Amino acid sequence: GQNIDQPTEMTATEGAIVQINCTYQTSGFNGLFWYQQHAGEAPTFLSYNVLDGLEEKGRFSSFLSRSKGYSYLLLKELQMKDSASYLCAVRDSNYQLIWGAGTKLIIKP
Amino acid sequence: IAGITQAPTSQILAAGRRMTLRCTQDMRHNAMYWYRQDLGLGLRLIHYSNTAGTTGKGEVPDGYSVSRANTDDFPLTLASAVPSQTSVYFCASSDSLDTGELFFGEGSRLTVL
Repeated sequence: GQNIDQPTEMTATEGAIVQINCTYQTSGFNGLFWYQQHAGEAPTFLSYNVLDGLEEKGRFSSFLSRSKGYSYLLLKELQMKDSASYLCAVRDSNYQLIWGAGTKLIIKP
Repeated sequence: IAGITQAPTSQILAAGRRMTLRCTQDMRHNAMYWYRQDLGLGLRLIHYSNTAGTTGKGEVPDGYSVSRANTDDFPLTLASAVPSQTSVYFCASSDSLDTGELFFGEGSRLTVL
């Protein structure tokens, strides 16, 4: 079966750095997405990786290793507004998106 | 403002009733999707459409139907609602099935009693 694993919840301090991991087992691979979802709101796109390596976008970076079935989202200089759920999703060989359950990130002052 | 509009925002529905969730996008995206989101689970695909006039079944299609008469609209119908269909429903669109990120509507919270 297809599976996306990510931690259920993480806590970090304002101004710090946090890394949210995602491992996947899917039938084929056509890219990995990270989305941010604030409570009660729609998911919004953060990043997309299709090749191995690091993609940097401001305070957020996303890393992919296809051979290990592994990705992480790195958030730097954490702000209170970064408190949200972070969703990892993989596009499989049928171009369907398989979603993880999300990681709830709690930022403390 | 370009984007995706869903209606209603929330609804309480008696079991057995018929319900249609509306979704409209103005980005001229070819692909559209309906997901449900339940606590502790990832987004699960109900139905999708690659282009106007075509639809396909996702992971959890039973009890739901969709239509895609034109590019902009993609309604989701529950023919006879059951309590297990209590969920938050998100409509999304993308340029195509195999490229581009998904853009989501604000969601429709449905409670079936």
